[in-house]
Amino acid sequence: KQEVTQIPAALSVPEGENLVLNCSFTDSAIYNLQWFRQDPGKGLTSLLLIQSSQREQTSGRLNASLDKSSGRSTLYIAASQPGDSATYLCAVKEKDSGAGSYQLTFGKGTKLSVIP
Amino acid sequence: NAGVTQTPKFRVLKTGQSMTLLCAQDMNHEYMYWYRQDPGMGLRLIHYSVGEGTTAKGEVPDGYNVSRLKKQNFLLGLESAAPSQTSVYFCASSYSVLKPQSGEQFFGPGTRLTVL
Repeated sequence: KQEVTQIPAALSVPEGENLVLNCSFTDSAIYNLQWFRQDPGKGLTSLLLIQSSQREQTSGRLNASLDKSSGRSTLYIAASQPGDSATYLCAVKEKDSGAGSYQLTFGKGTKLSVIP
Repeated sequence: NAGVTQTPKFRVLKTGQSMTLLCAQDMNHEYMYWYRQDPGMGLRLIHYSVGEGTTAKGEVPDGYNVSRLKKQNFLLGLESAAPSQTSVYFCASSYSVLKPQSGEQFFGPGTRLTVL
């Protein structure tokens, strides 16, 4: 059974710092990996999607990398801002051998606080 | 486009009562999903659907039923609510894996359910 781990569970940094969030998964046979942001009491906002054949994806100040063979992904946030404060979730999509659908397995998230 | 919408946003039930959560998407996605999010447990898949008229069990299906009578709607039912079903429920949707745009899941804002 796929397991997704995110370390650390919480992170506090001063504004302007560059930071890295980590995600690891136990089964490298994934279809893709998706990073989400969740604000308190809100839904999930998709940040970046990396297909299994890709090594990284970039969007603005965000860069996500994927190393399937080692079961790792990182989310790099450049020049952090207080508005980046949220919980960041990593999820891997793998094939369900039954119905042929693709399910997401989530990590428990890293709660990021950017201090002004 | 409204994306993925969920009704209601909040609900309080007494043990044994029943209710239905409605999810609607206007992106013409083939796949739809119901997750629950609990503190310390992360998001877990309850049921999913790969097309109109089809449903399948996820990781935690017990106590829930679903129906997908129309492509744009996915209903989650609780026949006899229990306190253990107190949670935040998220609906998501995505394209079929047969389409090049597939892979990315889009989430609704969530329904906060309390069972007393």
